[in-house]
Amino acid sequence: GAVVSQHPSRVICKSGTSVKIECRSLDFQATTMFWYRQFPKQSLMLMATSNEGSKATYEQGVEKDKFLINHASLTLSTLTVTSAHPEDSSFYICSAGKSSARGDSPLHFGNGTRLTVT
Amino acid sequence: AQSVTQPDIHITVSEGASLELRCNYSYGATPYLFWYVQSPGQGLQLLLKYFSGDTLVQGIKGFEAEFKRSQSSFNLRKPSVHWSDAAEYFCAVGVNTGFQKLVFGTGTRLLVSP
Repeated sequence: GAVVSQHPSRVICKSGTSVKIECRSLDFQATTMFWYRQFPKQSLMLMATSNEGSKATYEQGVEKDKFLINHASLTLSTLTVTSAHPEDSSFYICSAGKSSARGDSPLHFGNGTRLTVT
Repeated sequence: AQSVTQPDIHITVSEGASLELRCNYSYGATPYLFWYVQSPGQGLQLLLKYFSGDTLVQGIKGFEAEFKRSQSSFNLRKPSVHWSDAAEYFCAVGVNTGFQKLVFGTGTRLLVSP
């Protein structure tokens, strides 16, 4: 079945530094990927929609200059948390799916990245 | 705007007992509905989905869900719970734009007692 790989699974960084998270679709081409953020014991909140070859679409309230998204190929999207602060500590999850006319292709999720900013 | 409500934050079920997790949605058009399961520190695994047709859908691991348009519900059920089913369960509604942009409920944590 379709697999989405997310790397790293855990990262600890110092405040003020930047962290890059990768999301890869391993056996299918993903024209669109989604980035979610999950706070402890809460639901997933969509941050942005990553479109191959074009700019990402950010949800309201998400700082595009802080959460840089690049979708350079059909199998790779990256999320860079710039100038990270402790409040950015969270669980970040990506998902990918195939585009279809019916829109009925299910999303496949990566295993998430636990970011801790000290 | 679409939204999903999961009214139960926690549910404890005895192993072997039946399970029902509630989900209500708000969406103007015909919804695409999903149930995902998340183990601690992991991503989400799709249990089942509803797009159209038979309103009772079967999923993996013995789960099923029934779409009831009149009640705007998509409750998840399992006749006999196993200890390995303990996890967080998320209901989601998808906006059909050629791919699924999902809105998630707040989740229900399932605890299984021996």
